[in-house]
Amino acid sequence: NAGVTQTPKFQVLKTGQSMTLQCAQDMNHNSMYWYRQDPGMGLRLIYYSASEGTTDKGEVPNGYNVSRLNKREFSLRLESAAPSQTSVYFCASSEGTLGYTFGSGTRLTVV
Amino acid sequence: EDKVVQSPLSLVVHEGDTVTLNCSYEVTNFRSLLWYKQEKKAPTFLFMLTSSGIEKKSGRLSSILDKKELFSILNITATQTGDSAVYLCAALNQAGTALIFGKGTTLSVSS
Repeated sequence: NAGVTQTPKFQVLKTGQSMTLQCAQDMNHNSMYWYRQDPGMGLRLIYYSASEGTTDKGEVPNGYNVSRLNKREFSLRLESAAPSQTSVYFCASSEGTLGYTFGSGTRLTVV
Repeated sequence: EDKVVQSPLSLVVHEGDTVTLNCSYEVTNFRSLLWYKQEKKAPTFLFMLTSSGIEKKSGRLSSILDKKELFSILNITATQTGDSAVYLCAALNQAGTALIFGKGTTLSVSS
């Protein structure tokens, strides 16, 4: 009964380093999403994948890339991290127009 | 541009008080309005509202949607310290591919 699992939970990067945030869901959902949450900003959509094999940009895609590896997994990559990407990142999944289920988040700090 | 606006941004009440949180939205191809509670980790689902005028209730929490005036309210009666959290409102489009969040209302309940 894991739901949506994100790894890692915490990460500190130096400016210019790259990393990949992993997300996996076991609910057989078609759609998956990456959000970032900054203080006072709510959650903002970075990228989403409506189904396996498709990805689309959200509100704040610059500086990120995604891969929908299979139906279960949706990864977010930062090619060259910047301090402005310091944030809490949430992965979510959904099926049809039902509510989203969120992972527990990854707290990323870029120094 | 699609947007969701919540008010107030923060609220401090005493245990036992009743609170009303507001959410207005302007979303193209609107389908549903969702409420989440967030306590320093992943948002947890509270309600999904699709039809106007039908109150949804769960214990001390209730919510209603007005699709004509484009807003929703979340009521919490007899507040407890455990209700302290950020309450997020989000609007879902028809395709279910975009969940747009407001900035949240931070509720603090003092004993």
